[in-house]
Amino acid sequence: DIVMTQSSDSLAVSLGERASINCKSSQSVLKTSNNKNSLAWYQQKPGQPPKLLIYWASTRESGVPDRFSGSGSGTDFTLTISSLQAEDVAVYYCQQYYSSPITFGQGTRLEIK
Amino acid sequence: QVQLVQSGAEVKKPGSSVKVSCKASGGTFSSYSVNWVRQAPGQGLDWMGGILPIFETTKFAEKFQGRVTFTADESTSTVYMELSSLGYDDTAVYYCARGVVPANIQDAFEIWGQGTVVTVSS
Repeated sequence: DIVMTQSSDSLAVSLGERASINCKSSQSVLKTSNNKNSLAWYQQKPGQPPKLLIYWASTRESGVPDRFSGSGSGTDFTLTISSLQAEDVAVYYCQQYYSSPITFGQGTRLEIK
Repeated sequence: QVQLVQSGAEVKKPGSSVKVSCKASGGTFSSYSVNWVRQAPGQGLDWMGGILPIFETTKFAEKFQGRVTFTADESTSTVYMELSSLGYDDTAVYYCARGVVPANIQDAFEIWGQGTVVTVSS
């Protein structure tokens, strides 16, 4: 199984500042057939299902604000929020869908400092 | 826009089974994977497996193999997840989620149901 590890369980950032959440996979998730990384990011607020933000490591889902961006390749990935807004307080998960079983990181709780 | 609507909360006794439905409305159903993810109270996300209805292909997480069944009824655009031999640690919110790319069973999850609370209690 591919183990996904997020570098922080929690993170506190000031409003308007940049927030970066890191995720590392235990093996590469680069799909050679399309040269894309099978890595997604989700945002989950209390009492709600997760919401897809980013897939293929850097493709923003339709309707997601452009302050959210994804980067990285191979085994190391980052979700960046360029200017933190109050509504971004949530738990963020990375996910690999390169191989079965599909696995998630443990989650990073993002709070306002 | 496609929406996934799940069946209501369930309370089950240990050793019994539960069947949760996930009905798609407003768009294409069978050509996308539908996956099941559960979340125990205060915990993270745990993938159980998925089904690609158009090819009747299923995948399971090993920990659930032999205990979970996925079925699809294309006439009603509904996918079902049945989990048997329930234990107290099966208490969780169960989500269905549709894939991003048609005909791709290994996929990110674009559209999520609202979740179904399953409580296992004697």
